Amino acid sequence: NAGVTQTPKFRVLKTGQSMTLLCAQDMNHEYMYWYRQDPGMGLRLIHYSVGEGTTAKGEVPDGYNVSRLKKQNFLLGLESAAPSQTSVYFCASSPPAGSGGARAGNEQYFGPGTRLTVT
Amino acid sequence: QKEVEQDPGPLSVPEGAIVSLNCTYSNSAFQYFMWYRQYSRKGPELLMYTYSSGNKEDGRFTAQVDKSSKYISLFIRDSQPSDSATYLCAMSGWGNAGNMLTFGGGTRLMVKP
Repeated sequence: NAGVTQTPKFRVLKTGQSMTLLCAQDMNHEYMYWYRQDPGMGLRLIHYSVGEGTTAKGEVPDGYNVSRLKKQNFLLGLESAAPSQTSVYFCASSPPAGSGGARAGNEQYFGPGTRLTVT
Repeated sequence: QKEVEQDPGPLSVPEGAIVSLNCTYSNSAFQYFMWYRQYSRKGPELLMYTYSSGNKEDGRFTAQVDKSSKYISLFIRDSQPSDSATYLCAMSGWGNAGNMLTFGGGTRLMVKP
């Protein structure tokens, strides 16, 4: 099992450019999440999905779009990158019920992250 | 004011010390409390999970929840250099759409040999 993988690991964009971050999981998890992590801000939820074909906004969705066409993949798109989107992006997935009785969504498995710099 | 507050540290302790990490929160709807550990340049991983108030022990780790004070703690006994990481508390409640988690900002812990 590869778990949760993210592509690419690093990227530098110029302001106004677009890109797509790919998240893939091989654990057959229903729930998937995209976070950004900034110093002093912790993890903030951008968008999430509770199943194939469904997506919803999180805490900081502006400037991002997502798609979940296949259960195992969750894509995060930046249509017109801005310097404020410089961050480390993490994808996570969650099973319907976690170990020890954890409720769906509480036991999240994270990918290794994508470091994005927008100049 | 953030919903979940956590001292960013860094917290530096000698090997073998007992470590206490804490979070306070303001949303009384939170019912589920987690601690995630994040090593440098890695994704977070779930360390402990507790529901409602009380204690939970797992090896050298003990999670404690006091809902009346809106305060949660993680204790690490016999701390090791391998425990050096950032510890993130996370919470959710019955009403959270998609079972979203609210994270604290994380406390960086350094255990010195």
